[in-house]
Amino acid sequence: QVQLVESGGGVVQPGGSLTLSCATSGLTFSSHGFHWVRQAPGKGLEWVAFITSDGSNKYYADSVKGRITISRDNSKNTLNLQVNSLRAEDTAMYYCAKDRGKLWLDPWGQGTLVTVSS
Amino acid sequence: QSALTQPASVSGSPGQSITISCTGTSSDVGSYNLVSWYQQHPGKAPKLLICEGTQRPSGVSNRFSGSKSGNTASLTIAGLQAEDEADYYCCSSVGRYTWVFGGGTKLTVL
Repeated sequence: QVQLVESGGGVVQPGGSLTLSCATSGLTFSSHGFHWVRQAPGKGLEWVAFITSDGSNKYYADSVKGRITISRDNSKNTLNLQVNSLRAEDTAMYYCAKDRGKLWLDPWGQGTLVTVSS
Repeated sequence: QSALTQPASVSGSPGQSITISCTGTSSDVGSYNLVSWYQQHPGKAPKLLICEGTQRPSGVSNRFSGSKSGNTASLTIAGLQAEDEADYYCCSSVGRYTWVFGGGTKLTVL
């Protein structure tokens, strides 16, 4: 059974940085691309970033480009997301999800909450 | 990367059928079957319902079906049940390595 478990969220001051992690199990991690998707409180889903299976290519939403870095450690079966220069509008639940053929996202983790507040 | 357009809310009575639309452009929804649909109950993670526009993953009820016409994809839920009350999102690839979600539709079962 494939499982994705996010961690690393918390309360951060504006301008600060945070690194989120997504630990995976039940799959051959290095064979799959992965996404990060976020959801602001009471709002819809927003695609944030994608990384290919070998980590050689990374893609970002225009809204976060330059402030967010997606990475992976295939030796630890872990996906990461570093968010810099945090703003109030980055407050959201951040989900990791496994890519299927660049067509759909399944499964998803349970999410980790990032709150940007002074 | 403009969000796909979904109705904010739909409602139906138990046993009825409802359809949720998802409108995009020829670059996303109108392309090859790139649309997927997700169900999200309050406080839970999204769950895949439909992939490649019309395909139901193993374990998803056959009451859920997907279709597409031009630049609009649709999710139909037949035989509404109380447990179907949730938020529903469509998603499409845009180009090779960008994805966009719809704004979400809140389904209320009356």
